[in-house]
Formats: sequence, C-alpha cells, structure tokens
Amino acid sequence: EIVLTQSPGTLSLSPGERATLSCRASQYVSRSFLAWYQQKPGQAPRLLIYGASSRATGIPDRFSGSGSETEFTLTISELEPEDFAVYYCQQYGTSPRFTFGQGTKLEIK
Amino acid sequence: EVQLLESGGGLVQPGGSLRLSCAASGFTFNKYAMTWVRQAPGKGLEWVSSISGNAADIYYADPVKGRFTISRDNSQNTLHLQMNSLRAEDTAIYYCAKYYYASGSYSLDCWGQGTLVIVSS
Repeated sequence: EIVLTQSPGTLSLSPGERATLSCRASQYVSRSFLAWYQQKPGQAPRLLIYGASSRATGIPDRFSGSGSETEFTLTISELEPEDFAVYYCQQYGTSPRFTFGQGTKLEIK
Repeated sequence: EVQLLESGGGLVQPGGSLRLSCAASGFTFNKYAMTWVRQAPGKGLEWVSSISGNAADIYYADPVKGRFTISRDNSQNTLHLQMNSLRAEDTAIYYCAKYYYASGSYSLDCWGQGTLVIVSS
C-alpha cells in the first residue's frame, strides 16, 4: 500500500506570498494518478489538479502542480485570501483505490 | 450543472445499520464510476468504496470490508452505501464523489456536501 506524506503539516504565509506544498509517496506513483484537492472549513473537497500538473475546470492559473515518481509539489504563486485552506494530495491505485495524504493546512500569518 | 446530494446520515448505536444515498444529476450517471469518501471529525480524507458505472467492479477499503455494501440504481441516478455492524470509528462525514477520467488520469471532480454519521450509545 502506497503512503502519501505531506509537508509541512501547517504553512503560515501572508497574502501575496508564494506557497509550496509537498507530497511524498512511499513508492513510485504515475503522474497520471496524482491529484490535489482544496478543502475549506465546512465544505467538501474541490479538485484542483489532476494528472500531477493539469488544472481542473475553473481553477485559477496561480495554482500549479509538478513532480514525478515519489515527489510531487503544489505551488500557489501569489496567495489570495480565499486560498487559505487545507490541501490534500491523492493517488489512484489498485488497492486501496484512492489514497490521500494527511493534508497541509495553509493559514494566514 | 453536476450535483450530488447525500442523505441518510444520523445517530446510530454501535452494531446498528444505516443506508446512505446520493442523488446525482447533471451528468450521464451510468457512464461514471462513483466513490464514497469519509472524513472523521477534525481528520483527513479516507476512501471507503468505489463502484464502476455498470456496477460490475466494486472495491472496498479494508476497514469496511464485509460490513459495508456499495450499490447503484442507474434508473434512478442514485448511489447507495449500506453500512452494517457500525463502530464508533465509523463516525464521520460521508461524501459521495464522481470519478473524473482525463488523459489516463483518475481523480474525483465533483463531491456532494456530505452526510454526517455518528455511531454512539
């Protein structure tokens, strides 16, 4: 079973700054099977990035994904107030079907 | 507009049962695999179960295997999760979500608002 470890656990930044969130896999993950989600308090998760680097419909271009094999990154180029939330990486596999990282909380400094 | 609306959550005693439903609209339901994902209070996301569009392929997470049953009624555009032998650790918000396929990738592009299940005596 592949384990996804996200870092840092909490990231404190100010609006306008650049955020870099990491997702490390315990084994090789195909880029096709790596996604990122944003979740705000009291809301369902929202798909941001699929296939490691493709933005989902309606996602602003300040969000970008990169990486390969066991190291993946979500970058938010210039933080907007609405970007402060919890972010999860996810990989798709055979068993279990979906595995999520434990999340990174992006908070306002 | 794609919409998913869960129902059926509530308070149940340990050992009890609940049946969750997810009403889908805005897309061709029978062409998409569907998934249940849960989130315990203050915790992260945990995949529970998935079912293919024609219900031929079904998968469960180990913690729920043998206790939960996923099913779908394509004539009613509805997804179900029958939960038996419930335990305190099953307490969570349960989300239904739609598979998204693009260029060989798999993710979940539409989520319901969730339904809360509390297992407590």
